[in-house]
Amino acid sequence: EDKVVQSPLSLVVHEGDTVTLNCSYEVTNFRSLLWYKQEKKAPTFLFMLTSSGIEKKSGRLSSILDKKELFSILNITATQTGDSAVYLCAAQNTGNQFYFGTGTSLTVIP
Amino acid sequence: KAGVTQTPRYLIKTRGQQVTLSCSPISGHRSVSWYQQTPGQGLQFLFEYFSETQRNKGNFPGRFSGRQFSNSRSEMNVSTLELGDSALYLCASSTDRPWEQYFGPGTRLTVT
Repeated sequence: EDKVVQSPLSLVVHEGDTVTLNCSYEVTNFRSLLWYKQEKKAPTFLFMLTSSGIEKKSGRLSSILDKKELFSILNITATQTGDSAVYLCAAQNTGNQFYFGTGTSLTVIP
Repeated sequence: KAGVTQTPRYLIKTRGQQVTLSCSPISGHRSVSWYQQTPGQGLQFLFEYFSETQRNKGNFPGRFSGRQFSNSRSEMNVSTLELGDSALYLCASSTDRPWEQYFGPGTRLTVT
C-alpha cells in the first residue's frame, strides 16, 4: 500500500529556533516529493523534489530528498511566528496521483 | 488572477442525503483534483479531471463521483451520505505542471 508518514506530528518551538520536519514515503512508481504549507484552509506549494541530494532553498526554508532511503526533510531556520502552520508532504507517482502525509503542526512561540 | 474558488464553504447534511460541491479553477487551468481531508487520515486523493475526462481515481467508494465541464469547472457528488464523510473537501487546479497545484479554501461538510 502506498503511504507517506510525517514526523513529528506536532512541534512547539521559540522564535529563532531551527526545526527539521521529516517525511518518509513508500510509493510505487515514485516521481516526486512535494512540500506544502497549510495555514488556515488551502495548502500552498513550497517545494518539489525529484532528484536525490539536491537541496532546494527558498529564503529560510530548505528541503532535500533521499531516494535511496525514501525520505525527505524540510528545514526552517530562524523560525518566525508566521511559520506556524501545518506542513504537508506528498509523494507523486508517475500517474500523477498524490499521496499526502497527515502533516506536522508547527507552532512558533514569540 | 483569481484563485481557486469552492462553493459552498460550509454545508450540513443528514445521513442518507446527497450533496454536490463545486470548484472553479484558476483561469487557464485544465486539471482539477479533489481531496478529502480529515484529522485522522490527512489529505486523501479522490479523483482528477482533465479536459472533462477523469484521468485519475483514488480509493474511494462509488458514492463519490465527479465531473468536469467544458469551462474546466468541476463538481463533486457524494450520494447516500455517511457520518464518516464529514470532512474538509479541497479542490486543486493546475496547468501542465501538476505538482504546482493551487488549492481552494475548501468546503467543510458536516454529516449529522
